[in-house]
Amino acid sequence: EAQVTQNPRYLITVTGKKLTVTCSQNMNHEYMSWYRQDPGLGLRQIYYSMNVEVTDKGDVPEGYKVSRKEKRNFPLILESPSPNQTSLYFCASSLFSSLSGANVLTFGAGSRLTVL
Amino acid sequence: GQQLNQSPQSMFIQEGEDVSMNCTSSSIFNTWLWYKQDPGEGPVLLIALYKAGELTSNGRLTAQFGITRKDSFLNISASIPSDVGIYFCAGPINAGGTSYGKLTFGQGTILTVHP
Repeated sequence: EAQVTQNPRYLITVTGKKLTVTCSQNMNHEYMSWYRQDPGLGLRQIYYSMNVEVTDKGDVPEGYKVSRKEKRNFPLILESPSPNQTSLYFCASSLFSSLSGANVLTFGAGSRLTVL
Repeated sequence: GQQLNQSPQSMFIQEGEDVSMNCTSSSIFNTWLWYKQDPGEGPVLLIALYKAGELTSNGRLTAQFGITRKDSFLNISASIPSDVGIYFCAGPINAGGTSYGKLTFGQGTILTVHP
C-alpha cells in the first residue's frame, strides 16, 4: 500500500531533550515536506526537500533540522525542544511537478508532540 | 510568508444542508487545492484546480478557481455525517513561473454535521 509512515505517533518529552520524528514513504517520491498544525493557524510548512541532499526552509523552520540522505526518508530533528513546539506534525510527499506548479501531497497520519 | 484566508472558520449544519466555504489570497495563485482532514488523520486531497474559471466536481463536492486567480470556492451538497472534518485550501508559492516547492495552506474550516 502506498503510504507515508511517521513515528512516533504520540510523544511526550521534556524541554531540551533531543528527539527525532521519522518519516518514510514507499512511493519513490522526490518531494517531501514537514508541516505543523496548530489550532486556528492551519498547516504551516517547516522544511521541505526537492530530492536527496536538497532541503530548504519553509515558513517556520526555527528550532528544527532535517536531513535527506535517502529518497524514502526525511526525519525531523528537534535538537532542543521547547514548549512552543508542542504541536501536531505531518510529513508529506509527492512527485514534484513543475508543469502544474504544485505538489499534490500524500500526508502521513501525524505525530502529536507534547513538550513539557 | 504568503497567507491564505479561509472562511468561515467553522460551520455547524444539519445533515442534508449544502455547505459553502471560500479561500482568498492577496497574491495570484496558479493552482488551488482543496484537502479534507478527518479526525485523527492526515489531510487528503479532494480537488485540484489548475485554470482560472475552472469548475470541477468530485461527487457531491464542487470547487471553483476564481477568475481573479486570488480566490477559490468549495461547495458540498446534501451534507452527510461523514463530511465532518477540517477542510483546507492550499496553493503553491510560485514566483517567476517556477514552483519553489512551497505549498501554503489556509487556516481551515471546521465542519460539524448534525444528524
